[in-house]
Amino acid sequence: NAGVMQNPRHLVRRRGQEARLRCSPMKGHSHVYWYRQLPEEGLKFMVYLQKENIIDESGMPKERFSAEFPKEGPSILRIQQVVRGDSAAYFCASSPAASGNTGELFFGEGSRLTVL
Amino acid sequence: GENVEQHPSTLSVQEGDSAVIKCTYSDSASNYFPWYKQELGKGPQLIIDIRSNVGEKKDQRIAVTLNKTAKHFSLHITETQPEDSAVYFCAASPKVTGGGNKLTFGTGTQLKVEL
Repeated sequence: NAGVMQNPRHLVRRRGQEARLRCSPMKGHSHVYWYRQLPEEGLKFMVYLQKENIIDESGMPKERFSAEFPKEGPSILRIQQVVRGDSAAYFCASSPAASGNTGELFFGEGSRLTVL
Repeated sequence: GENVEQHPSTLSVQEGDSAVIKCTYSDSASNYFPWYKQELGKGPQLIIDIRSNVGEKKDQRIAVTLNKTAKHFSLHITETQPEDSAVYFCAASPKVTGGGNKLTFGTGTQLKVEL
C-alpha cells in the first residue's frame, strides 16, 4: 500500500517563474493537507482540502499561492511568480474521511523548492 | 488560533540515558496531541499520540504525558539509542470543520544521542 506520494522531490525555479507541486494521498484517504517547512523551523499549516473543496486555507498567503484537489488526480499546490522567500520544503499529508479518522496525518517525503 | 511552544530546541544525551521534550499549547479546545519524528530529508512520522481524555500513554521506550489544566504535554524516551537521533515535533489539534485534523506544530527539538 503506497504512502503519500509527492513530486517532484526537488524543484529549482528562478524568480518570477511558477512552481507546481503534486500530492497523491494514501489509498482510501479523502483529506489532504499542505504544510510548509522553512529551514530550521517547524511545519506551518497552509491549507486543508477534500475532493473538489477547500475546507480551510487560513495558512495560505493571500497572493500567488493556490491549491486544488480535483475529483480525479492529485492535489496541486501552485505558487506563481516565485520569490526567494518561497524556498522551503513543502509537505503534503493525508487522512481518511471522518468516520475512519484516528487523528493521524500521514506525511509524504516533501518537495524541496529552491528559488534562485 | 492555537500556539504551540516546544523546548528545548536541541538536546544531546548519552546512549542509554533518558530524553524529555516539553510542549505547551494555548487553545483549550485542542484535544489531540501527537508527536512526530523527522529524519533528515524525510517527512515526519507519527511515533505516539495522546487524547485529552487520558493523562499518560506508553509504547515500549516512548511515553507521553498530558496535563490539561496546565496545557502542557511531554515526550519521554528511555534507554536512548543512536537511531533515536532526529528532530521531534509536538503538535496540537482541535476538532475542525469537515472532520479533519488541522495540526499546529511546535518548532522542533533536534535530539542527538551520542555513543
